[in-house]
Amino acid sequence: GAGVSQSPSNKVTEKGKDVELRCDPISGHTALYWYRQSLGQGLEFLIYFQGNSAPDKSGLPSDRFSAERTGGSVSTLTIQRTQQEDSAVYLCASSLIPQNERYTFGSGTRLTVV
Amino acid sequence: DQQVKQNSPSLSVQEGRISILNCDYTNSMFDYFLWYKKYPAEGPTFLISISSIKDKNEDGRFTVFLNKSAKHLSLHIVPSQPGDSAVYFCAASVSRPTDSNYQLIWGAGTKLIIKP
Repeated sequence: GAGVSQSPSNKVTEKGKDVELRCDPISGHTALYWYRQSLGQGLEFLIYFQGNSAPDKSGLPSDRFSAERTGGSVSTLTIQRTQQEDSAVYLCASSLIPQNERYTFGSGTRLTVV
Repeated sequence: DQQVKQNSPSLSVQEGRISILNCDYTNSMFDYFLWYKKYPAEGPTFLISISSIKDKNEDGRFTVFLNKSAKHLSLHIVPSQPGDSAVYFCAASVSRPTDSNYQLIWGAGTKLIIKP
């Protein structure tokens, strides 16, 4: 597609439920990143995929968080047993190659855990 | 430990005047710096960048200055326009062309408000 697409744009879930957030990067972009932005905070790195390499999961805040990237394209971020502190905007970005710092971001998914 | 710091959470500037957004970094290995702009309900978009071999890069109304000795960079917007009201993020990286796990390190952002 023309840009990075994220769905859903908004998600309200009950505490303890699992959620899945989807990111469809720009076609041909090999690098894909997940970030989150909590209220009043900066961008917090979560996970990074590059081609067929093992993902860099160093930013995932707990083992309740996991992500997959199927076929080097679409990525899904899964949060199990959601907690209120998981409420944030989850942003996905892609870039043509990892050394290209000019990321293209999606509009994000606003997750609210009640 | 924040390697990239934007100490001003917000900044208010009169339309037509100069906006100056500041960013400090601690890692002397950073050699590439970027500014991104973010409107509400949208993802950040790339604005301007600078390599450490330069001390200034200009693109229209936007100029980024880099002071390596002070580990400081700034974004100047002249003249400021209402459409410039947004959150501005500073980001930095270490160029490691052979490192597949390379990534950007981000500041917390500065909210710029342009007053009419």
